[in-house]
Amino acid sequence: DQQVKQNSPSLSVQEGRISILNCDYTNSMFDYFLWYKKYPAEGPTFLISISSIKDKNEDGRFTVFLNKSAKHLSLHIVPSQPGDSAVYFCAASTISGGSNYKLTFGKGTLLTVNP
Amino acid sequence: NAGVMQNPRHLVRRRGQEARLRCSPMKGHSHVYWYRQLPEEGLKFMVYLQKENIIDESGMPKERFSAEFPKEGPSILRIQQVVRGDSAAYFCASSPVSISGANVLTFGAGSRLTVL
Repeated sequence: DQQVKQNSPSLSVQEGRISILNCDYTNSMFDYFLWYKKYPAEGPTFLISISSIKDKNEDGRFTVFLNKSAKHLSLHIVPSQPGDSAVYFCAASTISGGSNYKLTFGKGTLLTVNP
Repeated sequence: NAGVMQNPRHLVRRRGQEARLRCSPMKGHSHVYWYRQLPEEGLKFMVYLQKENIIDESGMPKERFSAEFPKEGPSILRIQQVVRGDSAAYFCASSPVSISGANVLTFGAGSRLTVL
């Protein structure tokens, strides 16, 4: 049973345009959401997060939106750059449950930004 | 300040052999977390250890897998009698204290196990 779903295995965008990566979850106990970026042969690197008490968090070119009623979050990257090409993982945890080290990951979306 | 160090980066084993993966946490960190990424899957939590203690092993397979984090030295993830289905990337993360609130895990580069 996949509790965090990233339905697009891949996404290709032009440099300078917006990249939108989507993520859906089923477990209503999740209250903290993260995006990690992973380059080949490296570990996942934390990118941005959002608490369930917010609906938007912004950090430079990266913005995460959370729609709790739809159990959906998205990561917007604007403008996209070739160096953003990587696999992006959506992850969720339950801070209130005291086990926020136990992240549930989606399968990832491979983003390719073309020059 | 070196990050989380994992070795070996690549390990090849034949079915039935043992695999040992090592994780040296960041300096000053006494909490270690192991995750596994099977092919075409996301990372999955395996185990959370403090020095000399297993805190949460709810994600560990019931047989053949064990983990330790001794008082001295790296954390070890041990897989006995490996099977082809154990082929995966194994990632380790560490933290100075128990992860709480909005703190995030910092992962190492991973160890890729291939079972022939």
